[in-house]
Amino acid sequence: NAGVTQTPKFQVLKTGQSMTLQCAQDMNHNSMYWYRQDPGMGLRLIYYSASEGTTDKGEVPNGYNVSRLNKREFSLRLESAAPSQTSVYFCASSDGASKSDTQYFGPGTRLTVL
Amino acid sequence: AQSVAQPEDQVNVAEGNPLTVKCTYSVSGNPYLFWYVQYPNRGLQFLLKYITGDNLVKGSYGFEAEFNKSQTSFHLKKPSALVSDSALYFCAVRDLRNTGGFKTIFGAGTRLFVKA
Repeated sequence: NAGVTQTPKFQVLKTGQSMTLQCAQDMNHNSMYWYRQDPGMGLRLIYYSASEGTTDKGEVPNGYNVSRLNKREFSLRLESAAPSQTSVYFCASSDGASKSDTQYFGPGTRLTVL
Repeated sequence: AQSVAQPEDQVNVAEGNPLTVKCTYSVSGNPYLFWYVQYPNRGLQFLLKYITGDNLVKGSYGFEAEFNKSQTSFHLKKPSALVSDSALYFCAVRDLRNTGGFKTIFGAGTRLFVKA
């Protein structure tokens, strides 16, 4: 099993450009998440999808959109990138069936916006 | 409010010595607490979790954590540190306020440096 995969691994954008970060999981998990990691701030939740067909805003959703394409895939889109969106982005998934379920993380996408 | 705090940005310990990485939490109701580890250029990996029961929870790689309800703490410990334990450690608490999924709130992280 590959677990959680993310593409691309690295990306450099100019201000105003758009891009989509892809995430897929092969663990048949119901819930998927997008986080951003910034120094000294830990992980902050951008959007999440509790189950296929649903998406909800997290702590820092502004400037982002998501699509839960199917049970396996959850994409994050930046419509007009800004330097403040320079960060490392992690996708995660979990079973979603209980309050104690564990999250599994992808390797991350390092995004720089110039 | 649901929150978690890691008061130390960095912890330094000599190889072979015991280590402690501190975490305190604030939740309404019973807490669901987690520790994750992040090695350089990798995603987070699950170490252990507390749900209920025994206050001492054992996890991966010889790590354990002690849940203390009166002090609202969930400190990560290991009896004998290894250089390979050097990494970024995150404490996390399950956010139980919403019903649309089980979100997790992460601390800012503590960098553990183990010196040979």
